[in-house]
This record gives sequence, structure tokens and C-alpha cells, in this order.
Amino acid sequence: AQSVTQPDIHITVSEGASLELRCNYSYGATPYLFWYVQSPGQGLQLLLKYFSGDTLVQGIKGFEAEFKRSQSSFNLRKPSVHWSDAAEYFCAIGGSQGNLIFGKGTKLSVKP
Amino acid sequence: EAGVVQSPRYKIIEKKQPVAFWCNPISGHNTLYWYLQNLGQGPELLIRYENEEAVDDSQLPKDRFSAERLKGVDSTLKIQPAELGDSAVYLCASSWDRDNTIYFGEGSWLTVV
Repeated sequence: AQSVTQPDIHITVSEGASLELRCNYSYGATPYLFWYVQSPGQGLQLLLKYFSGDTLVQGIKGFEAEFKRSQSSFNLRKPSVHWSDAAEYFCAIGGSQGNLIFGKGTKLSVKP
Repeated sequence: EAGVVQSPRYKIIEKKQPVAFWCNPISGHNTLYWYLQNLGQGPELLIRYENEEAVDDSQLPKDRFSAERLKGVDSTLKIQPAELGDSAVYLCASSWDRDNTIYFGEGSWLTVV
């Protein structure tokens, strides 16, 4: 079965510290991989995506993610977190039916 | 370029009342999706349209939910009658068949009291 696991429900980091959000997936092949961010009261904004090629992908707002086939992972990173990054982050895979399958999300809090 | 537009953004209704949500996708996007997002959860697909055709509605609770996409552009999702458990965010999204990327609207936040 296709699934996405985000092991961390809630993470708190200090402003200026580095960030890594974990994402693992289960899929028969290499899926399309996405990270979305949702600020309170808002919809989902696409941060970055991976389809093929270079396994390190750059996104908006200074985020990057690395695809590791051997670990079935697609972790999101940012070298220095800003207070405005506080939000909920969702990892998703492009399913075989043409839709997205989401993880349950990781809520990021940023300490001043 | 305008994104996916949804209305209303917020709606509070009493249980057993009907409610409808409207969505206008990004211009040129032939695929339209309705997702349900419960509190503290990731979105889950309710229905997917390719142009006017609902190609995946297996997760749509058809006893009370209905959707339509006339003319293959904008879409309406209806709940009748609403139940307390329907309180959630209803997200509309769209994509183009040559770009495997789904873009979301701001969501319609429903509270049933």
C-alpha cells in the first residue's frame, strides 16, 4: 500500500538554528515527491518537488530536500530557520491514481 | 497568474443544514481535486475530475456529499445534510496533465454546530 510517514508530530527549534523534517514513504517504485507548507488558516503552498534527476532539490524560502532511494526518505532541510517558518509541513507522494497521498504533517514552532 | 480560488473561506452552519463550496481552478488546468482535511491530519482525496468527468470518487460519501464540474472549469461541492463530524477544511486543487504538480486553494473552513 502507498503511504507516507512523518515521524515527528511537533518540532520546536530556535530561530537561526538548522531544521530537518523527516519523511518516509512506501511505494512500489520511485514516486513523485513533494513538500507543502500550511500556515494557520491558509491552504497548502508547494515548497519543492522531486520527479527525477539530482537527488538534492531546492525549493522556495530557502528550503531543500534530499531523496534517498535506499532509505525511502525525502527529508526537508533548512540551514537557518526564521520565525515566519512556523507552520505545518506536509510530505506527499504522487500516487498511482494521479492524486497525492499525504503524511499527517509536522508542526514546526520557532523559539525567539 | 491567479491561483485556485475557493469560496466561502469560512462557514458556520447548524447540523442538518446544507452547505456548498465553490472552486475555480487555475486557468488551463484540466484536473480538479477536492480534498478533505480534518484537524491535525493531512488532506485526503474526496474526488478527482478530469475535465467534466469524475474519474475517482471512491472516497466521496455519496449519501450526503455531491460534487459537480459543469463545463470542465469550476466546481461545486455540496453537503446535505451536514453533520457535526463534517467540520473540517475542504481544499480544492488543480493540475495540468503535463505537469505532475497539484496546486491548492486557500481552503473552505467549515464548522458545524
